[in-house]
Amino acid sequence: DGGITQSPKYLFRKEGQNVTLSCEQNLNHDAMYWYRQDPGQGLRLIYYSQIVNDFQKGDIAEGYSVSREKKESFPLTVTSAQKNPTAFYLCASKTYGGETQYFGPGTRLLVL
Amino acid sequence: AQKITQTQPGMFVQEKEAVTLDCTYDTSDPSYGLFWYKQPSSGEMIFLIYQGSYDQQNATEGRYSLNFQKARKSANLVISASQLGDSAMYFCAMRDPWNSGNTPLVFGKGTRLSVIA
Repeated sequence: DGGITQSPKYLFRKEGQNVTLSCEQNLNHDAMYWYRQDPGQGLRLIYYSQIVNDFQKGDIAEGYSVSREKKESFPLTVTSAQKNPTAFYLCASKTYGGETQYFGPGTRLLVL
Repeated sequence: AQKITQTQPGMFVQEKEAVTLDCTYDTSDPSYGLFWYKQPSSGEMIFLIYQGSYDQQNATEGRYSLNFQKARKSANLVISASQLGDSAMYFCAMRDPWNSGNTPLVFGKGTRLSVIA
């Protein structure tokens, strides 16, 4: 089946620990995005990538890092510098020239 | 400055009635796109409908229609014949006009719709 997968569904982070959220798509989409959603809020952009080996910071990139080594994969690392990482993280992708972004099911990150 | 404003934090509608969810936006770019997404309690974001700034007709997709009033900078979502399964958060979003190509979306804070039997 074509789509966007995110893993894990739930992730627990200890103080001072880096964690990586996975996002994979088999839609052959060029662009991929990471958004953060806090309770009762809309989505805010963390990073996005338009092509392999290139990415741009969004509004709240501090404390996060990404890589885009393959077209189908765009992992997000939440570093220890992110002091308030508890949130719902959504990955999205879009084909070049197309209008609509399609989303994965999300990863909920909790801090222990 | 906030680019997308959804002024209704919560709405109630009777089953089988129509409901309008408000969205206003702010941009000085003549080329932009407006989107509505539905987010059920499971958390996934489901694309509902899209309107381009140059589209002459209001967009429709099944029971969803977008009431696009360009001069007022509003893009309200109309859901006809509400169903219990329509209970969810609804987000209005705009393709950021400051970039081109694969531009990210800017989201409003959402409206929680509750459909009552």
